[in-house]
Amino acid sequence: DAGVIQSPRHEVTEMGQEVTLRCKPISGHNSLFWYRQTMMRGLELLIYFNNNVPIDDSGMPEDRFSAKMPNASFSTLKIQPSEPRDSAVYFCASSLGDGSSGYTFGSGTRLTVV
Amino acid sequence: ELKVEQNPLFLSMQEGKNYTIYCNYSTTSDRLYWYRQDPGKSLESLFVLLSNGAVKQEGRLMASLDTKARLSTLHITAAVHDLSATYFCAALGYGGSQGNLIFGKGTKLSVKP
Repeated sequence: DAGVIQSPRHEVTEMGQEVTLRCKPISGHNSLFWYRQTMMRGLELLIYFNNNVPIDDSGMPEDRFSAKMPNASFSTLKIQPSEPRDSAVYFCASSLGDGSSGYTFGSGTRLTVV
Repeated sequence: ELKVEQNPLFLSMQEGKNYTIYCNYSTTSDRLYWYRQDPGKSLESLFVLLSNGAVKQEGRLMASLDTKARLSTLHITAAVHDLSATYFCAALGYGGSQGNLIFGKGTKLSVKP
């Protein structure tokens, strides 16, 4: 099992540019989560999907952020336009069923907006 | 709204000593998760506690859950340097946040010789 796969691992971009983060969940997992981690705010849930359907996007900071899950094996988180305050580590996680077997996190994408 | 609080946030221990990290949560949740994070790394799952009274142990770490007190503890026995990391607890949300994990701020543990 390759685990949750995220790409890219690191992204440096200029303010105003579009950024797309990618996630492949564990095969068979039906829930997918996007988290953001910063020193100031810790781990925050941005959005989560169940069976490819967005369930809770209340954590998405603003309209500049959007997420999609076109199929069970792929999700994207897009920021357009990016701003320096978006700099953070973005984690994707997946789980099966009711989560009783745990939530598995990917390696994360470290985003720096300059 | 579910809130999760950990204490202490920073913990400096000597090798061989015992200590406990506390995790309180504000509303009903019958599931509690503990994770470890090394600097610059992802979150590694340590324990999943699924019911009141659940106790799990792995090596020098033992976690327990008291859903009535809304409290989970992570006990460290005879600490070693390799345990230095940040430890997070997370409770499973209900209602509006159903299905997702709400994390505490983490406890940064440093074990010194």
